[in-house]
Amino acid sequence: DVVLTQTPPTLSATIGQSVSISCRSSQSLLHSNGNTYLHWLLQRPGQSPQLLIYSVSRLESGVPNRFSGSGSGTDFTLKISGVEAEDLGVYYCVQGTHAPTFGAGTKLELK
Amino acid sequence: EIQLQESGPGLVKPSQSLSLTCSVTGYTITSGYDWSWIRKFPGNKMEWMGYISYSGSTNYNPSLKSRISITRDTSKNQFFLQLNSVTTEDTATYYCAPGSYFDYWGQGVMVTVSS
Repeated sequence: DVVLTQTPPTLSATIGQSVSISCRSSQSLLHSNGNTYLHWLLQRPGQSPQLLIYSVSRLESGVPNRFSGSGSGTDFTLKISGVEAEDLGVYYCVQGTHAPTFGAGTKLELK
Repeated sequence: EIQLQESGPGLVKPSQSLSLTCSVTGYTITSGYDWSWIRKFPGNKMEWMGYISYSGSTNYNPSLKSRISITRDTSKNQFFLQLNSVTTEDTATYYCAPGSYFDYWGQGVMVTVSS
């Protein structure tokens, strides 16, 4: 199994603050087809998960551009440039290069 | 747009089987994608359980391989999860989702395993 180590487990932020979440994989997520299937999801309280970023850095349609993703191989980062109240919830990295696995989640709270 | 709706009993007794249905609209499940079941445990842990491909082949999480079966009814554009010999550890919210990008999710169905 590919293990995704996601940190920090909890993030306290003020509105407008920029924050980052790290996701490290136990194996390279570069697929033989050249794509890297590392994505970022947000699950708001009481809602289903929502795709924010796919293939490391591609912004899903309708997602605000304050969200950005970067990384390659085994190290990936999600950045929120200016947290807004609607961003609160649990963030997950998920990989689909191998049999899918999820990070343990990062809960974003208001400070 | 793809829409998914999970359904099934919310309460299952230990040692029994859990059976859920995912009804898909907006896309024909034989046209493409791998159609997955994913669950979220109390707390934050998420687990991919397995999928049935558009061609009908299946792939399961090895941790569940002896207990899980994913099938489909193409005439109804539905796919199904059966998880046998459940324990309280299988209490979770169960979701269905297509593909490797996890861009569409159902609303989820909460299943409690309890006597």
